[in-house]
This record gives sequence, structure tokens and C-alpha cells, in this order.
Amino acid sequence: DQQVKQNSPSLSVQEGRISILNCDYTNSMFDYFLWYKKYPAEGPTFLISISSIKDKNEDGRFTVFLNKSAKHLSLHIVPSQPGDSAVYFCAASASGSQGNLIFGKGTKLSVKP
Amino acid sequence: DSGVTQTPKHLITATGQRVTLRCSPRSGDLSVYWYQQSLDQGLQFLIQYYNGEERAKGNILERFSAQQFPDLHSELNLSSLELGDSALYFCASSVYPQSSYNEQFFGPGTRLTVL
Repeated sequence: DQQVKQNSPSLSVQEGRISILNCDYTNSMFDYFLWYKKYPAEGPTFLISISSIKDKNEDGRFTVFLNKSAKHLSLHIVPSQPGDSAVYFCAASASGSQGNLIFGKGTKLSVKP
Repeated sequence: DSGVTQTPKHLITATGQRVTLRCSPRSGDLSVYWYQQSLDQGLQFLIQYYNGEERAKGNILERFSAQQFPDLHSELNLSSLELGDSALYFCASSVYPQSSYNEQFFGPGTRLTVL
């Protein structure tokens, strides 16, 4: 049973517009959420994170929103750039889990010039 | 460059064989994690070591084992290989967290192909 779900396998966005990637989770013990970006033939790269005591975290063009009641988080990229084209993974961890991450299956973002 | 290195980059072997994947964590990181990414799957956590000791196990098969050495590098041993073991294997490292607030830094991965 998937504890972290990314229901959109792919997303296509025009350059300069907003990209919104979504993630849902089922485990209420999760208290830390991360987004990773992955280019082909490379390992995942940490992008941004949020703890469960916050509902928003912003870093430059990237903002993550957390809705705990809905068990939903989203990553907003504004403005989107062609270099943002990659697979984005949502991940979560729970207190007492030694920090082990549970990953979603990823969303492939394509930003078209 | 995350600072995490993995060797080899690619590995092709036959069913029934045994292979060893190697990982060197970022300087100063004491925790090493191993993940498997199969086709169309997310990353599945396999096992974690901290300062030489096993700390957590995930969906790791009994045919697989790992260890972390005194210099903190880690090896993942895969034996009696099956076709379904073909996957990308990632190593990640982090400073051991006092809580679950833990950013992991990933290596480039080893692509294993079992023929």
C-alpha cells in the first residue's frame, strides 16, 4: 500500500507559467516532507522541504504548501523554466523512523519554451 | 555534485551471480541509506547504517545484505541474482538526525542489469 502518492505521472507547462506538482500521503505520523528533482542518469537532488508545524516554505522560485487536514502537499514552481524539466519526487518521513524516506513514484515535468 | 560517490556506474551480470555495490558518503556524514528504483517505481528504502551499525531495514530481500566500514563507506551485496533485481540502486547519506528532519544527499546510482 502506497503511503505517498503522486497521482500525475506527467505534467507539461509552458515556460514562464506556474508548475504545480501534487502529492498525497496516508500516514498521519509523517512530520517531514521533501521534494527531490531527478535528471536522467543522475541521482535525486534535494530541492525543498517542510515540517509539519508549517504550512508553507519558500525558496526562490520554489514553494511547498502543506495541508495536514487533507494530507496533501504541493510544489509550486514560478516561473517555470526549461531547465526545470525533470522527474520530481515527493518524500516523507516520520518521527522515530531514523529519518528513512518514503517516496512517491514521481511526476515528470516538461517545461516547453 | 552531492559529494556521495557510487561505483560502479553500470553492472551487467547473469542470474545466480553475486555483486557488490560500493558507496562513499559525503564528508562528515555518518548515516548511509540504500534505495532501489525499479522500472516505473519510486525509490524503495532498503537499509540504513549509522557509524557502522545497522539502524533500520526496509523492503530488503534476504538475498541482499549491506555493511558500513570504519571509514564510513558502505557496500551492498546482492546474491543469487534474479531478473527482477535489475534496477537502479542509490546510496544516500546524511548527518544522523536527532529527529526525523533529515535531508538525504544521493549518489548518482548504480544501474544493475541481470541477464
